[in-house]
Amino acid sequence: AQSVTQPDIHITVSEGASLELRCNYSYGATPYLFWYVQSPGQGLQLLLKYFSGDTLVQGIKGFEAEFKRSQSSFNLRKPSVHWSDAAEYFCAVVRYSSASKIIFGSGTRLSIRP
Amino acid sequence: NAGVTQTPKFQVLKTGQSMTLQCAQDMNHEYMSWYRQDPGMGLRLIHYSVGAGITDQGEVPNGYNVSRSTTEDFPLRLLSAAPSQTSVYFCASSLAGTNTGELFFGEGSRLTVL
Repeated sequence: AQSVTQPDIHITVSEGASLELRCNYSYGATPYLFWYVQSPGQGLQLLLKYFSGDTLVQGIKGFEAEFKRSQSSFNLRKPSVHWSDAAEYFCAVVRYSSASKIIFGSGTRLSIRP
Repeated sequence: NAGVTQTPKFQVLKTGQSMTLQCAQDMNHEYMSWYRQDPGMGLRLIHYSVGAGITDQGEVPNGYNVSRSTTEDFPLRLLSAAPSQTSVYFCASSLAGTNTGELFFGEGSRLTVL
C-alpha cells in the first residue's frame, strides 16, 4: 500500500539555525510530492511541489526540498529558521496513476527556540 | 477573495445526531475533497469529487456521505454521529485534480461528538 512517513513527530530548533524535516514514501514509480504547512488554527498551505525535472525545488518562505529517488525521500530544508516558521509541516504524495488521491504524512511539529 | 469557505467552524453533537458540514469554493475548481485531521495521524481523505455529479471514496469513507450537485459546493453529511467522528474536518479544492497543482484548504470545522 502507498504510504508516506514523517519519522519526526516534533522538532525544536533555535532561531537562525538550519532545519531539515524528513519525508519518506513508498511507491513503485515516482509520485508527485508536496510539502504543506499548517499554522495553528488554520488550513494547510502549499510550500512547494515536485513533479519532475530538477530534483531540488524551491518553495515559498525560503524553503527548499530535494527529491532522492534512491532513498525514496523528499526532505524539506531551510538554511535559517525564523520564529514565524513554528507550525506543523506535512509531506504529501500523489501516485501518478491515481491523481485524485493525495495522501498526507502524519506531520512534524516544528518549535522554534528563541 | 473568499477561496474555500467551511461552515460551521465549531459544532458539538450527541451520538446518533445527524449534521452537514458545508464547503463552498468560488475559484471554479473541478476537484473538491474532504479530509479529517486527528492527532498523530495527519490528514486522511474521506471523500472526493472530480466534478459536479461525480464522487468517490477516499481512505476513511465509512459514516460519511457526500454529493456534488454544483461545481461550487461539496457538503459532507454525517447521518448518525459517533464519538469516533470527533475530529477537525478540512475541505480542499483544486483546479484540475491533485496531479497538476496545489490544494486550497478551508480553515477547518472542529466537530465534537459526545
